[in-house]
Amino acid sequence: GENVEQHPSTLSVQEGDSAVIKCTYSDSASNYFPWYKQELGKRPQLIIDIRSNVGEKKDQRIAVTLNKTAKHFSLHITETQPEDSAVYFCAASPHAGKSTFGDGTTLTVKP
Amino acid sequence: GAVVSQHPSWVICKSGTSVKIECRSLDFQATTMFWYRQFPKQSLMLMATSNEGSKATYEQGVEKDKFLINHASLTLSTLTVTSAHPEDSSFYICSASPGRGYTFGSGTRLTVV
Repeated sequence: GENVEQHPSTLSVQEGDSAVIKCTYSDSASNYFPWYKQELGKRPQLIIDIRSNVGEKKDQRIAVTLNKTAKHFSLHITETQPEDSAVYFCAASPHAGKSTFGDGTTLTVKP
Repeated sequence: GAVVSQHPSWVICKSGTSVKIECRSLDFQATTMFWYRQFPKQSLMLMATSNEGSKATYEQGVEKDKFLINHASLTLSTLTVTSAHPEDSSFYICSASPGRGYTFGSGTRLTVV
């Protein structure tokens, strides 16, 4: 089955700096890679996703890159704000199959 | 956007009793729903895949007789924790795909005393 590894487990940045979270996956059949943000006590929410036919996708301050050959993908947050503080999960899945989640990254943005 | 409703949001039950958690897709049909368990500061652990009209598929190590799943319609899946014990206390969350990504329910905090 799929195995997703996520790094780092914790990340602390100053407000305004950039944050990068990286994930690797093992199953070459995976072709959908979403990222979720989970605030304390709340449900995970989809913030951005990328499919295997695209190398990079950007949505305002958030971007995701995908290297299918190397089987890794990354989340980039620029100009971080305190409200970006949360746990971020990456996931990998076949088009119509279940997602395998990374272990999560706790991001803290210091004002 | 797509909404998944989950009830109850929290429940306290006595050891040995059963608890039912409901997961509903409000504005889309879901032939498949997923049930996860999340421990504090940990990732989402997939417990089972709920399939409308057929048996659920359980992940390795998850007791199917303890965690009963029923997916009787295209918008409703239920998870029943039977003969609950304190070690079953956790955050249970369901999800379904409206076509892009997965939409999660709000989760259920189960405490077994």
